[in-house]
Amino acid sequence: DSGVTQTPKHLITATGQRVTLRCSPRSGDLSVYWYQQSLDQGLQFLIHYYNGEERAKGNILERFSAQQFPDLHSELNLSSLELGDSALYFCASSVAGSFSGNTIYFGEGSWLTVV
Amino acid sequence: DAKTTQPPSMDCAEGRAANLPCNHSTISGNEYVYWYRQIHSQGPQYIIHGLKNNETNEMASLIITEDRKSSTLILPHATLRDTAVYYCIVRVVIQGAQKLVFGQGTRLTINP
Repeated sequence: DSGVTQTPKHLITATGQRVTLRCSPRSGDLSVYWYQQSLDQGLQFLIHYYNGEERAKGNILERFSAQQFPDLHSELNLSSLELGDSALYFCASSVAGSFSGNTIYFGEGSWLTVV
Repeated sequence: DAKTTQPPSMDCAEGRAANLPCNHSTISGNEYVYWYRQIHSQGPQYIIHGLKNNETNEMASLIITEDRKSSTLILPHATLRDTAVYYCIVRVVIQGAQKLVFGQGTRLTINP
């Protein structure tokens, strides 16, 4: 158990809908990262928040947005869903905002299926 | 985006040492090398990281060459549960922002 909690674990929704994925980082961690993993694809970096502020963006679609709240939990909002958005979405957390020896721990992911 | 190169797949016999190579020839002097593994769609699991010295923990050893352009992850006594995709990762800086970018990794199969 990494200490990173993601909900829901599984979600099935229809095209055009909007969903929210939630992540609670490890206790004491200020950074939250979101990754997307499509079937048989690698992990794609989406976005990084540190202490409530956006730090880095990857290939995140405009239909997707994220935020980190004062209690440090984060939400990834996916809207106007398409079949191609079906994927595993991982959240990860770390204490600091850099990768200089900073260990990042991943949650178990949220399976999103768009039908 | 990934700055590392790994073989796509490897096999190893159960009980033997598994040695997974990684090339990171463009690594900068202050960049760490990280290793993660992913077992069948579970969350990536942290294994180890290092800067220039060799590192060892309860899971594995990391050997980094003196010029830091390559490294090897060693699982000393591989078990069937070590079958997974192993990722070697170096920090990527794009437009001033740091990112941990995963490549395709090495699919390690431990055979009985």
